[in-house]
Amino acid sequence: TQLLEQSPQFLSIQEGENLTVYCNSSSVFSSLQWYRQEPGEGPVLLVTVVTGGEVKKLKRLTFQFGDARKDSSLHITAAQPGDTGLYLCAGVGETSGSRLTFGEGTQLTVNP
Amino acid sequence: NAGVTQTPKFRILKIGQSMTLQCAQDMNHNYMYWYRQDPGMGLKLIYYSVGAGITDKGEVPNGYNVSRSTTEDFPLRLELAAPSQTSVYFCASRHGGGSYGYTFGSGTRLTVV
Repeated sequence: TQLLEQSPQFLSIQEGENLTVYCNSSSVFSSLQWYRQEPGEGPVLLVTVVTGGEVKKLKRLTFQFGDARKDSSLHITAAQPGDTGLYLCAGVGETSGSRLTFGEGTQLTVNP
Repeated sequence: NAGVTQTPKFRILKIGQSMTLQCAQDMNHNYMYWYRQDPGMGLKLIYYSVGAGITDKGEVPNGYNVSRSTTEDFPLRLELAAPSQTSVYFCASRHGGGSYGYTFGSGTRLTVV
């Protein structure tokens, strides 16, 4: 079983601060995805990273896939209350392309 | 497009009762999935399907059954409900495997008492 560990589990910050969320594994993934989930809703896809070392930017969010394709990070610059939510990373294993393995999530709260 | 539609949104079951959670997608996606989400526990895969007539077990299939008779529909059946099945259930679909992203429904919150 391929496991994804996310840290921190909870994060509470003030508006305007920067933060980084980590997603780590001992296994290699062929690709990795990040989702955000708001209360009462299903997760929504933010980004997919495929190549080791790849960096993708989505406005104030920067996603990086580790060189060895075992880890990823999500960095948010100047966080806003609208960024509040549960952030989930999910990986596609090299031999399990039909399904994703999800991390347990990072609950982010951005206070005004 | 409606995307992925789940019904009902909320349900309370008594121990031993059965029910079917409905999931329909209108995106012509081949792959469909059922997950359960418990507080602080992330998403656990129950069953998935890579096409009509094909289903496979995920991490936590015990107590559940699925069928996939059409591309659009992927119902999840709970037989003999137990308190351990209290959870939020999410259905998801995607076009194919690999790096394709999931589209999730808005979930069904089930309580077994």
